[in-house]
Formats: sequence, structure tokens, C-alpha cells
Amino acid sequence: AQRVTQPEKLLSVFKGAPVELKCNYSYSGSPELFWYVQYSRQRLQLLLRHISRESIKGFTADLNKGETSFHLKKPFAQEEDSAMYYCALSATGAGSYQLTFGKGTKLSVIP
Amino acid sequence: GAVVSQHPSRVICKSGTSVKIECRSLDFQATTMFWYRQFPKQSLMLMATSNEGSKATYEQGVEKDKFLINHASLTLSTLTVTSAHPEDSSFYICSVMEGGTEAFFGQGTRLTVV
Repeated sequence: AQRVTQPEKLLSVFKGAPVELKCNYSYSGSPELFWYVQYSRQRLQLLLRHISRESIKGFTADLNKGETSFHLKKPFAQEEDSAMYYCALSATGAGSYQLTFGKGTKLSVIP
Repeated sequence: GAVVSQHPSRVICKSGTSVKIECRSLDFQATTMFWYRQFPKQSLMLMATSNEGSKATYEQGVEKDKFLINHASLTLSTLTVTSAHPEDSSFYICSVMEGGTEAFFGQGTRLTVV
């Protein structure tokens, strides 16, 4: 069974400081990994996925299969980045597109 | 991307009654929809996978008779919480996967059982 671990419940950083939200996963197959974000009073939405290898809103995440990690990074935090961030894994090998979510990390950017 | 709408967004019901939550995919035909439950300050927990025209697949520990799922069309899945109790109070969210690569979520339904 797959598992996603986000060790930090809360991460507070000052505006302009670098941000790293940690995510580790456990899955025997070849995973697809995602970061989802939930801003205050809004629905959950996709931030980025490892397949596309893109940068969204200044955030990047690299899949490290050796360390089974998919940490989310941004060099300079902005106040509008304050939100709840969820790392998620899709075990598509079984033909299903279920997502397994980590417990989430609340990012608070201090002005 | 897909637009997913849930109704109602909030509901308060008395203990022992049943509550139905609708999840509609407005612009995408979804053969599969997912139902999640989110406790305060906790992650989303997958409850069940709703399959159009067939029985839902429930996750371990989720009572099938308690949480009835019906997926009668490609655009509508319903979750009925039967004989609700205060411990069923939670935030329920549905989602669809478009193209198998991105999940789109409803706005969620806050259920309070008094």
C-alpha cells in the first residue's frame, strides 16, 4: 500500500525567505506525485505534478526516487503563498487513479 | 479543467436522520468520482470510489451501509449518510480525475449532526 508523509504540520517563514515543504512517499511501483494547495476558503486545487517538471507560482518540486522524496521549494516566499499544502501520490499502475494524500502542511508567511 | 459542484455546501441535521450530498461534474463525463472525508486540521481520507452504473468501492474501515453511494449518471454521484450521528460531522469532498492526471475537487460539504 502507498503512503505519503509530510512531517511538518506547520511551517512559518518570513516573506522573502526560502521555503521547503517536505514530502516522502512509500510505494513499490512507479508513482506519480502531485502537490495540491488549498487557500483560505477555497477548494483544493492542483499546484504542480512531477511529470510536467514545471514551475508554478515560483514553486518547484523534484522527484528523488533514491530518497523517495518530492519536496516543494520556493526561493522567496510571498504572503499570498500562505495556505495548506498537500502532497499526493497516484498509484496508476493498477489502472486506478486514486490519490493518497499526506496530512498536509500549513504554510504561514510572515510579513 | 473539470468543474465539480457539490450541494449543499453546509447542512445541519438531527441525530438519526439521513443526509444526501450531491456531487456534479458540470462539464466532464466522469465514470469515476471519489469521495473524501476531511477532519479538522487533518488530511483528506478517501472513503470510496464511485463508479457509474456499478457498485462503489469502499476503503477499508468505511461502512457501506452507513455511507451509501449512488452514481447513476456520468455527471452525478450522491453520498447519503444514513442514521447520522455527531461523530459523522465532518467535511465531505468529492473529486473527479480528468485524463488520469489531475484531480478536480468540489467545494466540499460541511455536515454537522446535532
